[in-house]
Amino acid sequence: NAGVTQTPKFQVLKTGQSMTLQCAQDMNHEYMSWYRQDPGMGLRLIHYSVGAGITDQGEVPNGYNVSRSTTEDFPLRLLSAAPSQTSVYFCASSYGITDTQYFGPGTRLTVL
Amino acid sequence: AQKVTQAQTEISVVEKEDVTLDCVYETRDTTYYLFWYKQPPSGELVFLIRRNSFDEQNEISGRYSWNFQKSTSSFNFTITASQVVDSAVYFCALGGYNQGGKLIFGQGTELSVKP
Repeated sequence: NAGVTQTPKFQVLKTGQSMTLQCAQDMNHEYMSWYRQDPGMGLRLIHYSVGAGITDQGEVPNGYNVSRSTTEDFPLRLLSAAPSQTSVYFCASSYGITDTQYFGPGTRLTVL
Repeated sequence: AQKVTQAQTEISVVEKEDVTLDCVYETRDTTYYLFWYKQPPSGELVFLIRRNSFDEQNEISGRYSWNFQKSTSSFNFTITASQVVDSAVYFCALGGYNQGGKLIFGQGTELSVKP
């Protein structure tokens, strides 16, 4: 089992560019989520999904888009990058919404 | 409101000392879940423990132990005989069915273990 994988590991964008952060899991987990980690702010939920075809907003969804066409994949799209989106992004997955969430290695994003 | 407070921002100890990381939570849910995660300097988030609100039994895993007390809304984490490899940021988190899977994280405690 590879667990939760994320690509890329590092990314630098210019303001206004768009990109997709990839997240995949091979544990047949129904629940997947995206968090961002900022200094002094802890981790905050961006979007989550309770299963293929179902997504919902978390605490800080603005500027981000998600879709879940398969159980395995949960990509996060930045529509028009802004410096405020400079952060470390973590994807997580679990069997259900109350089960232990396992995190991917993270993507460090810098928006200039 | 749901909230997790880790009042200790940084702790520094010398190797072999015991150290306790504090976690206090707030929730109105009767059923909830508490977690501890470790974030070493390499940056990944490593799961340590999950505890249900209806299970107040303390847990020990090697040098790690956890003390869950509903009466004081606390879920403290103790490392016995600390080692340099324990140096990391430790996060306490709160979750539950009513939160839709959202984990509410504390700000984290940075533990530095010096040789």
